[in-house]
Amino acid sequence: GQNIDQPTEMTATEGAIVQINCTYQTSGFNGLFWYQQHAGEAPTFLSYNVLDGLEEKGRFSSFLSRSKGYSYLLLKELQMKDSASYLCAVRGGSGNTGKLIFGQGTTLQVKP
Amino acid sequence: EAGVAQSPRYKIIEKRQSVAFWCNPISGHATLYWYQQILGQGPKLLIQFQNNGVVDDSQLPKDRFSAERLKGVDSTLKIQPAKLEDSAVYLCASSLVGGGESYEQYFGPGTRLTVT
Repeated sequence: GQNIDQPTEMTATEGAIVQINCTYQTSGFNGLFWYQQHAGEAPTFLSYNVLDGLEEKGRFSSFLSRSKGYSYLLLKELQMKDSASYLCAVRGGSGNTGKLIFGQGTTLQVKP
Repeated sequence: EAGVAQSPRYKIIEKRQSVAFWCNPISGHATLYWYQQILGQGPKLLIQFQNNGVVDDSQLPKDRFSAERLKGVDSTLKIQPAKLEDSAVYLCASSLVGGGESYEQYFGPGTRLTVT
């Protein structure tokens, strides 16, 4: 079967660092995406990993280990506006027809 | 560039009624997706089009849901008849044809459907 697991909720303090983990078991792998979704809004793209290692984009970084079926999203210097749901999604199959399978999302609450 | 457009934004219907949602993807995006997102869950792909052909509709409840993408641009998703469990946000997304990050999916604002 296909399964993506991430914690349901996390809480962190403004200015701190938080790591959101994602583990996956999918038939085929062709990339892992992280999306941010504020309440009542559409998901927006944060990062993409297809090779092992760390990808850094400003305050956000994403890590992938394909052998372990594991990824994390690292958020630094947390701001109140980072309070949102963070969705891990795996693209299975191959090429452009591989669909995205989403995890349930991790709701992050940033407190002052 | 204009984003993915969806309408209506909100819809309330009674069970057994029918409803239709409309999506206009980003210009030039060949691939279009319809997702269902139930409260507290991640989006679930219902159907994926490449141009006007269906690539994946394995999770579309075909006894009540239908979708089309005439001329490979706009798309409509229909539910007939609706059930209480269809209450969800219906998200439309589009992407370029290509590998890597160009596969990034851009989401529309969604249609929040409430079935009473």
